[in-house]
Amino acid sequence: AQSVTQPDIHITVSEGASLELRCNYSYGATPYLFWYVQSPGQGLQLLLKYFSGDTLVQGIKGFEAEFKRSQSSFNLRKPSVHWSDAAEYFCAVGVSVMTTDSWGKFQFGAGTQVVVTP
Amino acid sequence: ETGVTQSPTHLIKTRGQQVTLRCSSQSGHNTVSWYQQALGQGPQFIFQYYREEENGRGNFPPRFSGLQFPNYSSELNVNALELDDSALYLCASSWTSTLSGANVLTFGAGSRLTVL
Repeated sequence: AQSVTQPDIHITVSEGASLELRCNYSYGATPYLFWYVQSPGQGLQLLLKYFSGDTLVQGIKGFEAEFKRSQSSFNLRKPSVHWSDAAEYFCAVGVSVMTTDSWGKFQFGAGTQVVVTP
Repeated sequence: ETGVTQSPTHLIKTRGQQVTLRCSSQSGHNTVSWYQQALGQGPQFIFQYYREEENGRGNFPPRFSGLQFPNYSSELNVNALELDDSALYLCASSWTSTLSGANVLTFGAGSRLTVL
């Protein structure tokens, strides 16, 4: 079964500084990887996804993530954070619809809360 | 295109009661998944509906049940509510075909359930 670990529960960063959120996954096959963001009282918004190909993927709001198979990681980065980036970030692993087990099921990490200071 | 809409946004129930949560999927999507997000945790997969049938289930007891309608909207029903059922319930829609490919989930804003 797949699992996702986000080692950092809480991160505080200054506005304008860079941000990196860690994500490690465990999955027997090639994973489909996602980062979602959740603002208070809101649902989850997709930031970016990795299915195959280029291991550095670009997303919305200036975010990018790099898939490293050797490290089973999919870390999220942003060069310069804005106050509006304060939110909770979730890494998730999904499976192909052709997989008989957990068809379409996503496994989410516990999330990383990002606080942005002036 | 319309996004995923959920109702109600907030509700309060007491232990032992039953609750029904509703979800309208994004236009063009044919699959609905339900997730439970307890406070301070990531979403946990409850089940998924495709072609009006349950298609995959997480570690939730049978008192969690659902329906999908011909217009792809969905309901989540929870019977015999327990205090631990207090959570944000998220509905997500996606497009599933019989060809290979990964789903991208589009989430609604959720229904916040409080069980007293």
